[in-house]
Amino acid sequence: AQSVTQLDSHVSVSEGTPVLLRCNYSSSYSPSLFWYVQHPNKGLQLLLKYTSAATLVKGINGFEAEFKKSETSFHLTKPSAHMSDAAEYFCVVSDRGYGQNFVFGPGTRLSVLP
Amino acid sequence: ETGVTQSPTHLIKTRGQQVTLRCSSQSGHNTVSWYQQALGQGPQFIFQYYREEENGRGNFPPRFSGLQFPNYSSELNVNALELDDSALYLCASSLAGGKYEQYFGPGTRLTVT
Repeated sequence: AQSVTQLDSHVSVSEGTPVLLRCNYSSSYSPSLFWYVQHPNKGLQLLLKYTSAATLVKGINGFEAEFKKSETSFHLTKPSAHMSDAAEYFCVVSDRGYGQNFVFGPGTRLSVLP
Repeated sequence: ETGVTQSPTHLIKTRGQQVTLRCSSQSGHNTVSWYQQALGQGPQFIFQYYREEENGRGNFPPRFSGLQFPNYSSELNVNALELDDSALYLCASSLAGGKYEQYFGPGTRLTVT
């Protein structure tokens, strides 16, 4: 069975400082991994995905994530936070099969202080 | 390219009633997945449809059922509503297979009183 742990339920950073949102996963197969963002009262937007190509993945809005198989981690980073980054972030693992293939983490709420 | 749309946006029902939520897939996608997102939690997988057949199901009772139509649009039906069914219901469309990203609609906010 797959599972996702997001180690911080809430992260607070100052505008212009780096962002680190942590994600660890468990999967029986070689997984695909995704990060989604959800702004208040909005749907989920895909930030980036890893599907067995390069381990360092670049996404939209300056975000990137690194797949580390030995650590079973897929942490999300951004060099400089912007006020518009304040939102809920979800890490997702998928076993690339069919059926129930997307398992969400509990989410990390990012606050950006002026 | 039209994105994923859902209707209605908000709905208020009484305990014991039945509800139908609708979803239109993104053009070119043949798979639809439904999720329940309770307040403050991550989305929980309800089920997935591929070529009009249920293709996987999460830990939800049979009173949660669905349909996928030939144009790949979909419905989620919930019978005998309970207070705990109050949540945001999200529909996502994709190509078949877990390596493909899912594209989400804005959701339907269901309140059961």
